[in-house]
Amino acid sequence: EAQVTQNPRYLITVTGKKLTVTCSQNMNHEYMSWYRQDPGLGLRQIYYSMNVEVTDKGDVPEGYKVSRKEKRNFPLILESPSPNQTSLYFCASSLSRNYEQYFGPGTRLTVT
Amino acid sequence: KQEVTQIPAALSVPEGENLVLNCSFTDSAIYNLQWFRQDPGKGLTSLLLIQSSQREQTSGRLNASLDKSSGRSTLYIAASQPGDSATYLCAVRRGGSNYKLTFGKGTLLTVNP
Repeated sequence: EAQVTQNPRYLITVTGKKLTVTCSQNMNHEYMSWYRQDPGLGLRQIYYSMNVEVTDKGDVPEGYKVSRKEKRNFPLILESPSPNQTSLYFCASSLSRNYEQYFGPGTRLTVT
Repeated sequence: KQEVTQIPAALSVPEGENLVLNCSFTDSAIYNLQWFRQDPGKGLTSLLLIQSSQREQTSGRLNASLDKSSGRSTLYIAASQPGDSATYLCAVRRGGSNYKLTFGKGTLLTVNP
């Protein structure tokens, strides 16, 4: 089944403890992206990647890192999480920017 | 900076009614526009993708139109059903070498039996 998977689905952590949220797609998509969704602010793009080893900032990249060493994986790294990074995070992929995006199920992160 | 607005923020209709959801954007230099639905606590499901050169796309009871010059898109839902209840989001992909995607805040649709 074609899909985007994210792990973990739920995570509660403490301020400053490094964490990684994994994202994987099995559709051989070139384009992958991370978003956060907050009440009243909607979905905002954090980082995106056009292909392996090619990444760029979205609208809210501060406090996040990404890497794209393999085509199928695009992990989101929070090196020193803070409470304002408490949010619902989505990973998405598409064949290219011409094509529709497919979203993962989301990761709900709480930073205390 | 691209801004995307969706009006209304919430809409409640009786089952069977035809309805229109609106999406407007400030920068007409877009690559494409995509409509999604999001069920509570779930991810986003793609409904329709319209390229900047297209005027409309149809899928079943859904029809999306795009007027790039005026910065507007509409999603028409025919013969609405309770199962259509969800939040509907539009997202604009910016033009040029930019791959950024900007979302509206969505319209919460409730279809009452």
